[in-house]
Amino acid sequence: QVQLVQSGAEVKKSGASVKVSCKASGYIFTSYYLHWVRQAPGQGLEWMGIISPSGGSTSYAQKFQGRVTMTRDTSTSTVYMELSSLRSEDTAVYYCARVVGYSMKDAFDIWGQGTMVTVSS
Amino acid sequence: QSALTQPASVSGSPGQSITISCTGTSSDVGGYNYVSWYQQHPGKAPKLMIYEVSNRPSGVSNRFSGSKSGNTASLTISGLQAEDEADYYCSSYTSTSLVVFGGGTKLTVL
Repeated sequence: QVQLVQSGAEVKKSGASVKVSCKASGYIFTSYYLHWVRQAPGQGLEWMGIISPSGGSTSYAQKFQGRVTMTRDTSTSTVYMELSSLRSEDTAVYYCARVVGYSMKDAFDIWGQGTMVTVSS
Repeated sequence: QSALTQPASVSGSPGQSITISCTGTSSDVGGYNYVSWYQQHPGKAPKLMIYEVSNRPSGVSNRFSGSKSGNTASLTISGLQAEDEADYYCSSYTSTSLVVFGGGTKLTVL
């Protein structure tokens, strides 16, 4: 079945970096855009950015420009999200999510299970 | 990019209908038919309920419907059931930053 499986929970110190993986299966990896969305404890959803698995092009939310890097490995159908210079406000569940169709403008139909990242001082 | 505006909470009794609004601008909700709605139960990943304003993914109950008028989109749930109690988020494509979410609405089934 179509699914996205993310890496496990992380605990990091302030100032460190974290890299979260998202492995796709059950569909043609290069055919669908993938987004990253995060959710701080008790808060709403926040869009972080998008990556094209086919060409690797990316677009990031302005808030994360300079701190986030999204990459992909087509040989393993995996996308990665690396966030640097971590601070306590980055404590959140990070999700990868696949676009429902072939347009990057469309909704997210498949979500990973989420990866909890905790930043401690 | 400001978040789309949703009511913080709504409630209804089993069998009733409720509507959740999502207000944006002409740069997002009003300008494109890429409005979507997500249901999220505690500790779970969001689930797509409506995409492209009014389309339901396969497997989503027809009790869920979406619409849009001007800069405001709406999610209507008819025949409320206990399992509908969850948080609901709207989202839209935006010309300024690609994706924007609403702040979320907590639905309580009385």
